[in-house]
Amino acid sequence: AQKITQTQPGMFVQEKEAVTLDCTYDTSDQSYGLFWYKQPSSGEMIFLIYQGSYDEQNATEGRYSLNFQKARKSANLVISASQLGDSAMYFCAMRERTNAGGFKTIFGAGTRLFVKA
Amino acid sequence: DAGVTQSPTHLIKTRGQQVTLRCSPKSGHDTVSWYQQALGQGPQFIFQYYEEEERQRGNFPDRFSGHQFPNYSSELNVNALLLGDSALYLCASSQGASGIFSYNEQFFGPGTRLTVL
Repeated sequence: AQKITQTQPGMFVQEKEAVTLDCTYDTSDQSYGLFWYKQPSSGEMIFLIYQGSYDEQNATEGRYSLNFQKARKSANLVISASQLGDSAMYFCAMRERTNAGGFKTIFGAGTRLFVKA
Repeated sequence: DAGVTQSPTHLIKTRGQQVTLRCSPKSGHDTVSWYQQALGQGPQFIFQYYEEEERQRGNFPDRFSGHQFPNYSSELNVNALLLGDSALYLCASSQGASGIFSYNEQFFGPGTRLTVL
């Protein structure tokens, strides 16, 4: 079963506008972490933002904010004032504890964002 | 401050061969995780090394093995290569093996693109 679901394979946004990338997750744990990463065509995964399951405030990092709705198990990424350099793949990820006592990170399939000039 | 480095950047092998990929973590990090990212998909967790031991493992066969050295660098070995092993292999480093409650960001390397012919 999919643990991280990103329903938008591709998204277009006009430069300087805001865009929301959707992410829903599935876990029975109470303690988990949610991440968003950006992957340009070069391949490197770039950390954008983190939200802990117990954090009451939505995380923000510059132009990025995470709309965390715990009851709905959603963690949407909002990018404000889109820039051409924002064109990339975006991955939602969840870190959860394993039976062995450590943790592992599970990624969604990603959303490709195209920013139009 | 050097980030996560991986070598080689590209590799071409034939079916049945064996391959070794290398990763040096970010300075100050002691945990290395490996991911396989097939074309058009999100990264899949292979395993994680901490204190020179494999701590966590994803759903990958025993053909995938690894090692962590005293300097925290790591190797990923894949035996009896299959066409389906063609992918981008990402290494990520972090501080500490258990970071689920605290903010424990993973830094990713640029990846090694493996092509199996």
